[in-house]
Amino acid sequence: GAGVSQSPSNKVTEKGKDVELRCDPISGHTALYWYRQSLGQGLEFLIYFQGNSAPDKSGLPSDRFSAERTGGSVSTLTIQRTQQEDSAVYLCASSLPGYGYTFGSGTRLTVV
Amino acid sequence: QQQVKQSPQSLIVQKGGISIINCAYENTAFDYFPWYQQFPGKGPALLIAIRPDVSEKKEGRFTISFNKSAKQFSLHIMDSQPGDSATYFCAASIGNFGNEKLTFGTGTRLTIIP
Repeated sequence: GAGVSQSPSNKVTEKGKDVELRCDPISGHTALYWYRQSLGQGLEFLIYFQGNSAPDKSGLPSDRFSAERTGGSVSTLTIQRTQQEDSAVYLCASSLPGYGYTFGSGTRLTVV
Repeated sequence: QQQVKQSPQSLIVQKGGISIINCAYENTAFDYFPWYQQFPGKGPALLIAIRPDVSEKKEGRFTISFNKSAKQFSLHIMDSQPGDSATYFCAASIGNFGNEKLTFGTGTRLTIIP
């Protein structure tokens, strides 16, 4: 596609429920990233996929968070047993060497 | 550990003025320093980037100044326009192909007033 697509754009969930956030990267981009942006905060790194290498999961805040990337393309970020502190905008980006990141518009997650 | 410190948190500049945003980093292994611009409701977009082998890079009204010894870099926006009003993030990575993990600053909300 023309850009990085994220769905849903908004998600309201009850505390304790599981949520799945989807990212469709730009076709052919080898690297895919997930970041979290809390209100008034910077971008917090969560996880990074690069080609067929093992993902860098060093930014995942707890074992409630997981992500996978299927077929080197679409990625899903899963948050289990959501907590109110998980409320944030979740941003996905993809990239090719030499071209920097292209971000999606994000999924705004609200846990009530 | 916050590895990239950004200031100021917010900035108001008159139209036509110069906007300056500063960042400092700790990890001397960083070798790629991009700036991203974010409008409300949108993801950040790459604005300009620099590698440490040069001290300055200019693209139109946007200039990055880089001071390797001080471990600082800054974004200068010349002739600032209302359309430049956005949040700006500096970032840094190890590896300079533009597709490595980025560490971001906390952002600067820039407002250009007429």
